[in-house]
Amino acid sequence: SQTIHQWPATLVQPVGSPLSLECTVEGTSNPNLYWYRQAAGRGLQLLFYSVGIGQISSEVPQNLSASRPQDRQFILSSKKLLLSDSGFYLCAWSVHNTIYFGEGSWLTVV
Amino acid sequence: GENVEQHPSTLSVQEGDSAVIKCTYSDSASNYFPWYKQELGKRPQLIIDIRSNVGEKKDQRIAVTLNKTAKHFSLHITETQPEDSAVYFCAASAETSYDKVIFGPGTSLSVIP
Repeated sequence: SQTIHQWPATLVQPVGSPLSLECTVEGTSNPNLYWYRQAAGRGLQLLFYSVGIGQISSEVPQNLSASRPQDRQFILSSKKLLLSDSGFYLCAWSVHNTIYFGEGSWLTVV
Repeated sequence: GENVEQHPSTLSVQEGDSAVIKCTYSDSASNYFPWYKQELGKRPQLIIDIRSNVGEKKDQRIAVTLNKTAKHFSLHITETQPEDSAVYFCAASAETSYDKVIFGPGTSLSVIP
């Protein structure tokens, strides 16, 4: 069966520091991969999606970036975090339109 | 692009009563409509979905109905229990190369014992 792992689970970072969140999927090949962000008490905002290695599409302009160095690995990065980057970040994969989320990463920028 | 609206934003019901959450979508090409439940501090999880070739689907206490002509779909929870308390998200998507799924803003459901 397919599983998705995401880490770290929580992190507290100062403003201006870099960020790296990593996600891997097991049990499937060539999955569609996604990064979502959820601000406190808010909805799910799609940040990036990828249909293959090196193929990244951005949904919203921001100081975040994503990379897909391997088929089942998806990385979310920032060179300099802003206070507004705080939130719950969810990696996800999909098959036949159905989205499956990772456990999520809580980011607090201080 | 697709836009999904969801109502109400908050809903409180007595235990044992029914809860109904309604969503509308804008893209007539959308043909897949999942519902997710997100408990506090956890990831959203798929609870039921419906594709455009059916009008209704039921799974125990949960049912979803779809009206493609009117472009709206609804989640019905019967005999609500305290553990049903959570945020519920509807979503819509069309079969494309990247399974782009657009979520509604969510409904916070509270079931009062």
